[in-house]
Amino acid sequence: RKEVEQDPGPFNVPEGATVAFNCTYSNSASQSFFWYRQDCRKEPKLLMSVYSSGNEDGRFTAQLNRASQYISLLIRDSKLSDSATYLCVVILNAGKSTFGDGTTLTVKP
Amino acid sequence: EAGVTQSPTHLIKTRGQQATLRCSPISGHTSVYWYQQALGLGLQFLLWYDEGEERNRGNFPPRFSGRQFPNYSSELNVNALELEDSALYLCASSLGGRGLGDTQYFGPGTRLTVL
Repeated sequence: RKEVEQDPGPFNVPEGATVAFNCTYSNSASQSFFWYRQDCRKEPKLLMSVYSSGNEDGRFTAQLNRASQYISLLIRDSKLSDSATYLCVVILNAGKSTFGDGTTLTVKP
Repeated sequence: EAGVTQSPTHLIKTRGQQATLRCSPISGHTSVYWYQQALGLGLQFLLWYDEGEERNRGNFPPRFSGRQFPNYSSELNVNALELEDSALYLCASSLGGRGLGDTQYFGPGTRLTVL
């Protein structure tokens, strides 16, 4: 079993839709969690940190569920420009960061 | 403020050669991380440097090595190149001090092709 698992998708949604991604992790000692966005053949860019209390930034909401060991990313009112691959990152207690393989989102007109 | 920079942008080598990739972190950042992203695959953690020391490494053979200089820039060296080393190599930097819990900011990457 992978340490960090994401549904690879692709998720194909119309503009204006709400879409949610989950990312599960296996090590309960994991300390920090982030969502990154990666456009085709570009570097990952930080989207947001993830906290147990939830974190909202405009149309984006991230949540951490430690009991079930997953993090989520919710995108409301999807825009064409949201089309990208979304990577979750889990920072383990031992000091290694593990990236999920990414979830591909395509927003269509 | 300048972001993380990497050089070269592209690098083409043949099997058995050595490759050297360079990274300059964001000013004020002391931690540098290296990742490998093979085509169609996820990011794989390679190395973490902080304050000039190697702090952690991923599951890669010893022919992947590097160092961090006093100005916090870093080099990744890959010896005895193999075809499967072809990938995008990404460098990230963070403020440092808390280990990999820091927010990491990525450079544009070096695309290494091994022929």
